[in-house]
Amino acid sequence: DTEVTQTPKHLVMGMTNKKSLKCEQHMGHRAMYWYKQKAKKPPELMFVYSYEKLSINESVPSRFSPECPNSSLLNLHLHALQPEDSALYLCASSQEDRGFGLNTEAFFGQGTRLTVV
Amino acid sequence: DAKTTQPPSMDCAEGRAANLPCNHSTISGNEYVYWYRQIHSQGPQYIIHGLKNNETNEMASLIITEDRKSSTLILPHATLRDTAVYYCIVITGGYQKVTFGTGTKLQVIP
Repeated sequence: DTEVTQTPKHLVMGMTNKKSLKCEQHMGHRAMYWYKQKAKKPPELMFVYSYEKLSINESVPSRFSPECPNSSLLNLHLHALQPEDSALYLCASSQEDRGFGLNTEAFFGQGTRLTVV
Repeated sequence: DAKTTQPPSMDCAEGRAANLPCNHSTISGNEYVYWYRQIHSQGPQYIIHGLKNNETNEMASLIITEDRKSSTLILPHATLRDTAVYYCIVITGGYQKVTFGTGTKLQVIP
């Protein structure tokens, strides 16, 4: 199984709502990533978890709150978002706990298309 | 990570080889060259990577120049399903902070 599964595929939420994005992988990968991608732009790194601990936070606003409850699951909790947060949110995982490199690759999910109204 | 430069767009006739260049003139000795592609509205997909030798797999070939300052991704027989944005990324082994550049939008034309 070389899949990273993201749910939901689409999400529409109001600015006062609280919602969560979920990401799951069963490849035994110890690094998991959240990326944000606006239309016609490359993915931008948000967070990295390594061995279930947050290792990188790219100065992401606190209205985005990541969580890694176990080695297979990664959540992104959303609260009080703004319309400009509308984007494709991508989850990825890689075998090497120190990143993409050292002769390994990252696997991406299909993303959650988030619209904030 | 070393910065990469790619042409913003390219066209390729279906059935012909697509050659996508990438410049990474500031690459250092322990940095790998990776290629990913992103088909419209899907997650990025790994294609191939290399350190200094040329590499080939079932999807593509990667040619890295001897000085490692540039590389070319070759899709030997492009199909319409290869239409995508192709990202060339240079990654230090063990580095987690991976940055995607703007990529090349490849349009395969029937």
